[in-house]
This record gives sequence, C-alpha cells and structure tokens, in this order.
Amino acid sequence: DAGVIQSPRHEVTEMGQEVTLRCKPISGHDYLFWYRQTMMRGLELLIYFNNNVPIDDSGMPEDRFSAKMPNASFSTLKIQPSEPRDSAVYFCASTLGGIGHTFGSGTRLTVV
Amino acid sequence: GEDVEQSLFLSVREGDSSVINCTYTDSSSTYLYWYKQEPGAGLQLLTYIFSNMDMKQDQRLTVLLNKKDKHLSLRIADTQTGDSAIYFCAESPGGGKLIFGQGTELSVKP
Repeated sequence: DAGVIQSPRHEVTEMGQEVTLRCKPISGHDYLFWYRQTMMRGLELLIYFNNNVPIDDSGMPEDRFSAKMPNASFSTLKIQPSEPRDSAVYFCASTLGGIGHTFGSGTRLTVV
Repeated sequence: GEDVEQSLFLSVREGDSSVINCTYTDSSSTYLYWYKQEPGAGLQLLTYIFSNMDMKQDQRLTVLLNKKDKHLSLRIADTQTGDSAIYFCAESPGGGKLIFGQGTELSVKP
C-alpha cells in the first residue's frame, strides 16, 4: 500500500496564477479530507468528501478555492487566482468509515 | 463549539517520561486521537482511544481519558531523541472529520 499520494511536493507560483493540488487516497477508503497547515492558524479542515460527494466545505476560505473528487481514486484542490496569503502546507488525508486519518506527505505551496 | 487546546512546548531529558496534555470541548466525540508530525512530513497516527475507555496502553505510549473534565493525555515512557516532534490531539465531532489542537512541540535533550 503506497499510502496517500500527493503531488506536487513543492509548488512555487506567482500571485494571480492558478494552482492545482492533487491527491490519490488509499484504495478502498471512503472519506477524503483536505487540510491546510500554517504557523498562525495551525491545521484547518478545508473540505471533505464521503463516497466522492462533498459533505462539508465550510472551511474553504473563499470562492477562490474549489475542490473536486471525480472518482474514488483522485481529488484536486484548486486555487484561482492564488494570493501570497495562500502560502501553506496542504495535506490530503483519507480514511475508511471515518475512523482515524492517513495523511499524505503534503504539498508546500509558496505564492510570491 | 469545537475546540481543542494544547500547550505549545515541552522539553524533557532523554530517558525521562513525557506527558502531553489536551483539553477538548465536544463531549460526543466517539474517538480521540494522538498524531505525531516530524519535520517536513505529514501527520502519523500514533494511537487513539474509544470514548468509553479510561486508559489505553501501547508499548511506550499510555493514553488517559477523563471524560468528565474533557481531558486527554499522552504519556511517552523512556523518551528518546527520535521522539522529538510535534504531537497533535484531535477530537471527532462526527461525520468523519477531526478537529486538531495547535500541536505540542516535544524537544528531547540528550
């Protein structure tokens, strides 16, 4: 089992550009979560899916952020347009039945 | 509301026991979790406790749960330098999501 796979590991982009983060959950897991980690705000839940359906997106900061899960093995988090305050580490996590999360290694996003 | 509080730093000597404390607010949490994060890595599930238990032991790790006071603790026996990391407590208010504390940075000095 390769675990939760996120890509890219690092992303540096200019303000105003579109950024797409990708996640492949563990096969068979039915929940997928997107978190953002910063020094100031800690670990924040952005959105999560159950069986590919978005359940709670109340943590998405604003309309510039969107997430999709077109199938059970893939999810994307898109930021358009990106801003410097979006700089953070973005984690994807998956779980079966909602018990415990397995986290990916994260994508470190820097917006300059 | 949902809120999890932890102290930010803890420093111990190698070989001593470490105790990391956490308070949470959601009394309906079915499970409570401890995660470990090493530099540049994602969070790793260390252990979890079911809400109807008071204690759970797993090798060097002991979790204590006081539901009345909504207090959770993680004790690491014989702490090693490799235990240096950030430790997160999390509650599960339902729907599969977790609410994390700010994390406690554990520093182990040789």
